[in-house]
Amino acid sequence: DPKIIQKPKYLVAVTGSEKILICEQYLGHNAMYWYRQSAKKPLEFMFSYSYQKLMDNQTASSRFQPQSSKKNHLDLQITALKPDDSATYFCASSQDLGGRSYEQYFGPGTRLTVL
Amino acid sequence: QQKVQQSPESLSVPEGGMASLNCTSSDRNFQYFWWYRQHSGEGPKALMSIFSDGDKKEGRFTAHLNKASLHVSLHIRDSQPSDSALYFCAATPSSAGNKLTFGIGTRVLVRP
Repeated sequence: DPKIIQKPKYLVAVTGSEKILICEQYLGHNAMYWYRQSAKKPLEFMFSYSYQKLMDNQTASSRFQPQSSKKNHLDLQITALKPDDSATYFCASSQDLGGRSYEQYFGPGTRLTVL
Repeated sequence: QQKVQQSPESLSVPEGGMASLNCTSSDRNFQYFWWYRQHSGEGPKALMSIFSDGDKKEGRFTAHLNKASLHVSLHIRDSQPSDSALYFCAATPSSAGNKLTFGIGTRVLVRP
């Protein structure tokens, strides 16, 4: 059974619209993250959460808003979508945040295309 | 300039051969490294971490870290077709770091 579920797998949106990317982890982890993988660019860290609290935000735009309704959920709301937002978005989790470097487990990703 | 650089961009090795991948950090703050592997259509999966100078071996994979030069390498011995994937080097500023900074990746193709 998949330990990190991301929904949907593929998403097509029009410029200016709003979408929510879903992430659920069943690893019992306390820390969750979002990363973005754009064409020809490295995987890019966006956010980290620990016990449902935002710990680090490296996203310059407020159009990206993570939402944690439960400890094992970390959704990503993106508003006013732009074609440059087209990328694969990965959710990840680790046992904890800080104290030592814990392995991060990645989900299968949501590929977002903005037309 | 990217803080984590990887080379080569792509690599082709025969089945059973040795694949060697390189990674260098241009920021002295990034001294702790991870290697991740990503198969097509999947998310990255951690292969191993290396935080101390020297070698670290896990099965057919050996990583080597030189902190003075901030250079880390990954060697895959007895390469298998299933090793064909995109390999990422990722660095953090401390052993307690969880914000990973990734390189662009090296694509490895293992020829049967």
